[in-house]
Amino acid sequence: LAKTTQPISMDSYEGQEVNITCSHNNIATNDYITWYQQFPSQGPRFIIQGYKTKVTNEVASLFIPADRKSSTLSLPRVSLSDTAVYYCLGGGYNNNDMRFGAGTRLTVKP
Amino acid sequence: NAGVTQTPKFRVLKTGQSMTLLCAQDMNHEYMYWYRQDPGMGLRLIHYSVGEGTTAKGEVPDGYNVSRLKKQNFLLGLESAAPSQTSVYFCASSPQGSSTRSTGELFFGEGSRLTVL
Repeated sequence: LAKTTQPISMDSYEGQEVNITCSHNNIATNDYITWYQQFPSQGPRFIIQGYKTKVTNEVASLFIPADRKSSTLSLPRVSLSDTAVYYCLGGGYNNNDMRFGAGTRLTVKP
Repeated sequence: NAGVTQTPKFRVLKTGQSMTLLCAQDMNHEYMYWYRQDPGMGLRLIHYSVGEGTTAKGEVPDGYNVSRLKKQNFLLGLESAAPSQTSVYFCASSPQGSSTRSTGELFFGEGSRLTVL
């Protein structure tokens, strides 16, 4: 069971790149690292997932160092609509006991 | 393509009443979860199921019961509601991956807002 630690909140401005780091010191060998985004009054939605090195999709990049004890979500050129809570989650091999941490509340200012 | 559907979306209960929240998924997912989210807080896992006929406790199981009689449905029951159970409840499902790697991607419903007076 990978316990995760993230900053509680972050502020940014439109157009900036935002990096949110998650610590997961006891992640299991077979676990993936997944990031979710949650807007008020909505369920979380999948952003990106990775196992090691770097993964990039149309909305974000995920950097995972070789020891896999942490990961960094990178959001390029954020906009006001990226204001949300971001969660990292370690797990998935057995898809059991999927627990979220407190998340990082990102506020993007004009 | 409905995905994960939760019913009801809103409910007001009196202390001591019972109710059941229904989660239905049409993606043939093996795994299903119930979470609760209190204002300004993260999600906390109540119960989960790794397959039809199975259930397991999460972080905060007290006061709740669950059943997974059919693969597509996961029911969350409150036998005697308490004000502390006022929350937004989210259901999620996840597919099973390969025998060696599972993606662990969760698909969430829109939430059910429960108020206990």
